[in-house]
Amino acid sequence: GENVEQHPSTLSVQEGDSAVIKCTYSDSASNYFPWYKQELGKRPQLIIDIRSNVGEKKDQRIAVTLNKTAKHFSLHITETQPEDSAVYFCAAGSNAGGTSYGKLTFGQGTILTVHP
Amino acid sequence: EPEVTQTPSHQVTQMGQEVILRCVPISNHLYFYWYRQILGQKVEFLVSFYNNEISEKSEIFDDQFSVERPDGSNFTLKIRSTKLEDSAMYFCASSAREGNQPQHFGDGTRLSIL
Repeated sequence: GENVEQHPSTLSVQEGDSAVIKCTYSDSASNYFPWYKQELGKRPQLIIDIRSNVGEKKDQRIAVTLNKTAKHFSLHITETQPEDSAVYFCAAGSNAGGTSYGKLTFGQGTILTVHP
Repeated sequence: EPEVTQTPSHQVTQMGQEVILRCVPISNHLYFYWYRQILGQKVEFLVSFYNNEISEKSEIFDDQFSVERPDGSNFTLKIRSTKLEDSAMYFCASSAREGNQPQHFGDGTRLSIL
């Protein structure tokens, strides 16, 4: 089955700096890669996702890059703000239908702390 | 914006008792999921449900677990005889008609087994 590794486990940055979180996956059939932000005691909230037919996607201060050959993808947050502090999870999934119905395999999470 | 809703927010149950966690997925979604998150750990897939049947389940989802869509709106997770290690946050999620669509999570039910 799919295995997703995420690094680092904790990341501390100063406000305004950039933050990068990296994930690797094992199953070449995975073709959908969402990132979730989870604040303490709350639901995982989708912040950006990328499908395997593109290499990069950007949404304001957040970007995700995907390298299918190397089976890794990364989250980039620029101009970080204290409200970006949370746990970030990467995940990998594949098309619903066939043998898979959209199951997501999550990484272990990164605790991001942005210091004012 | 439509949301996945879950009840109750917190459930405390004695070991060995049955528990039912309830979810109302987003109304036009067709794929439904249950995940769990043990405190401080990653989110783990339990089961996916489509067209009124289980489409995939993990090793965690053993015979003590079952899911049901009893009507057009609710989606439930039942644990027949709870164990201490079932203590976790349980999240319901749903996605739209086609695969590879974003999964939207509910606020979760915190299950505490005593």
